[in-house]
Amino acid sequence: EAQVTQNPRYLITVTGKKLTVTCSQNMNHEYMSWYRQDPGLGLRQIYYSMNVEVTDKGDVPEGYKVSRKEKRNFPLILESPSPNQTSLYFCASWNVGKPYFGPGTRLTVT
Amino acid sequence: KQEVTQIPAALSVPEGENLVLNCSFTDSAIYNLQWFRQDPGKGLTSLLLIQSSQREQTSGRLNASLDKSSGRSTLYIAASQPGDSATYLCAVRGDQGAQKLVFGQGTRLTINP
Repeated sequence: EAQVTQNPRYLITVTGKKLTVTCSQNMNHEYMSWYRQDPGLGLRQIYYSMNVEVTDKGDVPEGYKVSRKEKRNFPLILESPSPNQTSLYFCASWNVGKPYFGPGTRLTVT
Repeated sequence: KQEVTQIPAALSVPEGENLVLNCSFTDSAIYNLQWFRQDPGKGLTSLLLIQSSQREQTSGRLNASLDKSSGRSTLYIAASQPGDSATYLCAVRGDQGAQKLVFGQGTRLTINP
């Protein structure tokens, strides 16, 4: 089954404690991206990747890092999380046309 | 900077009605426009994708139209059902093959039995 998986689905952490949210797709897609969804602000792109070792900033990259060492994986790294990064995060992948979205990761930073 | 607006923010209609959701965008230089559905606590499901050269796309009871020059798209849902209740999001991708999707804030649709 074609899918994008994210882990963990839910995470509560404290300010400053480094964390990684994993994203994996099984469709051999070239493009992958991370979004955050906040009430009243909608979905905003954090980072995206066009292929292995090729990444670029989206609209809200501050406080986040990504890497694309394998085509199927695109982890999102928060080196020093802060409360303003509390949000719902989505990973997506696509080649041309319709993107596939993961189920979301709800992150709370206290 | 591209901005996408969806009106209304919420809509409640009786089952069986036909309805239209609206999406407007400020920059007409788009590559494509997509409509998504999001169920509570779930991810996004792509419904329809319209390339910039197209005027409309249809899938079952759904029909999406695009008027690029006026910066507008509509999603028409025929014979609505309670299972159509969800948040509907539109997103535009800039031209030149840019990989950034700009989303509207969505319309929360409730179909009452």
